[in-house]
Amino acid sequence: ETGVTQTPRHLVMGMTNKKSLKCEQHLGHNAMYWYKQSAKKPLELMFVYSLEERVENNSVPSRFSPECPNSSHLFLHLHTLQPEDSALYLCASSQDPLAGGRGELFFGEGSRLTVL
Amino acid sequence: GQSLEQPSEVTAVEGAIVQINCTYQTSGFYGLSWYQQHDGGAPTFLSYNALDGLEETGRFSSFLSRSDSYGYLLLQELQMKDSASYFCAVEQDSNYQLIWGAGTKLIIKP
Repeated sequence: ETGVTQTPRHLVMGMTNKKSLKCEQHLGHNAMYWYKQSAKKPLELMFVYSLEERVENNSVPSRFSPECPNSSHLFLHLHTLQPEDSALYLCASSQDPLAGGRGELFFGEGSRLTVL
Repeated sequence: GQSLEQPSEVTAVEGAIVQINCTYQTSGFYGLSWYQQHDGGAPTFLSYNALDGLEETGRFSSFLSRSDSYGYLLLQELQMKDSASYFCAVEQDSNYQLIWGAGTKLIIKP
């Protein structure tokens, strides 16, 4: 496999469920990102990991919990979500921008989340 | 606040040329990127400008004017497959934060 792969592609969950989104990159990058994409709005950066260490956390509610076990895998654990959390969740990877890796993010196709 | 402004929708004819503008207001600036996203697909990188001027890559070109806080994406010889949303994003100094525009939906008519 090549590129950035996200699973599942679609997820429907109730407000009391616990689920996880998975992202895997095969590009040898050392930074990974979670973005939230809502219709007609700018992409919202949620979390950034560089070399498996969280370096950005943009005031995201605690019902979203990221995990980065190694430089190729990223998870987003979901718990007690709200209907307004329904969106497309995109994973991306890049070379670390603080180490000269500027300009290009590689995205997965996203996980479409619906919270009932 | 920090923001990027781009038109929400642009319509053009197959074979024509279209320009998608992006103006930005950010506290720092390192470069301007453009991404393309087809419905149901992943955003894919198109171009990156850190210096003033025009960068050309095949049918697509991107322009930046740092003094005007302005850039544009130029698509030539439009094809139906170019129907997609196009996002501009500003890379700020020394951090991981890209500031994104809300996207421009390009509709191409035969």
